[in-house]
Amino acid sequence: EDKVVQSPLSLVVHEGDTVTLNCSYEVTNFRSLLWYKQEKKAPTFLFMLTSSGIEKKSGRLSSILDKKELFSILNITATQTGDSAVYLCAVAYSGGGADGLTFGKGTHLIIQP
Amino acid sequence: DAGVTQSPTHLIKTRGQQVTLRCSPKSGHDTVSWYQQALGQGPQFIFQYYEEEERQRGNFPDRFSGHQFPNYSSELNVNALLLGDSALYLCASSSQRQVTLRNQPQHFGDGTRLSIL
Repeated sequence: EDKVVQSPLSLVVHEGDTVTLNCSYEVTNFRSLLWYKQEKKAPTFLFMLTSSGIEKKSGRLSSILDKKELFSILNITATQTGDSAVYLCAVAYSGGGADGLTFGKGTHLIIQP
Repeated sequence: DAGVTQSPTHLIKTRGQQVTLRCSPKSGHDTVSWYQQALGQGPQFIFQYYEEEERQRGNFPDRFSGHQFPNYSSELNVNALLLGDSALYLCASSSQRQVTLRNQPQHFGDGTRLSIL
């Protein structure tokens, strides 16, 4: 059965700290790994990773994929209160011509001022 | 450029009733996927529609059914509602037909919050 496991499930840090969120997966017909940020409603897209070892970066956020060890990390440096959210990791797989997403439970990140 | 829109935003039903949720995909997208997100959990894949047909289905009973219209919009129907169906229902759209968009991520709507009493 396909599985995506995120850790930690919740994390409380102070503004300015650096955080690392983890995602491991076991999925057949892997295509890509995606990170989304979910505040109140719609998950918003952060990164899509398809190749091992290539870091994707956007401002204070960065992410990398290890396809041999089947995991990814999401780093956030110099955290701000606006980074408080649930961070979802999802793996896209191919099946019957369609692309489903299998999600982890998410990491609930709280940034304290 | 309108993103993914879902209606209604909130809905309250009682056990045994039936419900229909609606989704309009982002402009240029032709594929719609539906997800169920229970409180404190990640979204779970229900099914995906493309060219008005169900292409793939997750582990959901056949009380969950859907439809896609020629304009790519979609409906999710749930029959014989159970208390456990209370959740946020998310619609995501993507493109299969447009080569330049085919490997882009799915875009999500704000969801419909369904409460079963």
